[in-house]
Amino acid sequence: TQLLEQSPQFLSIQEGENLTVYCNSSSVFSSLQWYRQEPGEGPVLLVTVVTGGEVKKLKRLTFQFGDARKDSSLHITAAQPGDTGLYLCAGAVPNSGYELNFGKGTSLLVTP
Amino acid sequence: DTAVSQTPKYLVTQMGNDKSIKCEQNLGHDTMYWYKQDSKKFLKIMFSYNNKELIINETVPNRFSPKSPDKAHLNLHINSLELGDSAVYFCASSSWDRPYEQYFGPGTRLTVT
Repeated sequence: TQLLEQSPQFLSIQEGENLTVYCNSSSVFSSLQWYRQEPGEGPVLLVTVVTGGEVKKLKRLTFQFGDARKDSSLHITAAQPGDTGLYLCAGAVPNSGYELNFGKGTSLLVTP
Repeated sequence: DTAVSQTPKYLVTQMGNDKSIKCEQNLGHDTMYWYKQDSKKFLKIMFSYNNKELIINETVPNRFSPKSPDKAHLNLHINSLELGDSAVYFCASSSWDRPYEQYFGPGTRLTVT
């Protein structure tokens, strides 16, 4: 299993603040996915990044894949209460078929 | 329309019992998965099933067995339930051309007493 470390584990901020969540590994991944999970629900796919250095934007969310494809970051601009949830990164293991290794998640709380 | 559905949502049972969780996807995907999420929210793959090929995570006890009656369904059967099996179980699916973009069901919270 190729480990993914997410930081911070917990984050509590006020509406309007910016934040960055990190996902790091010593292993190379063929792609990396970010999911958001709300209480009582399954993870929902937000984005896939494939190329080293790739940057993708989804409204106020910016995702970046590291040049060496070992790490990724998620930046949220002007956070809103609706952004509250558990953010999970998941790395696709090269030559493993369909295996995804998940990080332990960052639990984000945005208060009004 | 629900893309990936699971039943039941909640399952409470006693140690030693046998139970099943059902999963259906209407996305036309050809690969399905079962994941276990523990109390610390760590999500770990249990099985993937594609074209009748089953890939098993070696850490999964053989009390757990996936059964796929057809391409749209992957059920999870658990024998002789133990306290440590208590967790949330998620079914997921993906297409052959984007296997890492997995779509998850709402989860089944299993509590073993």
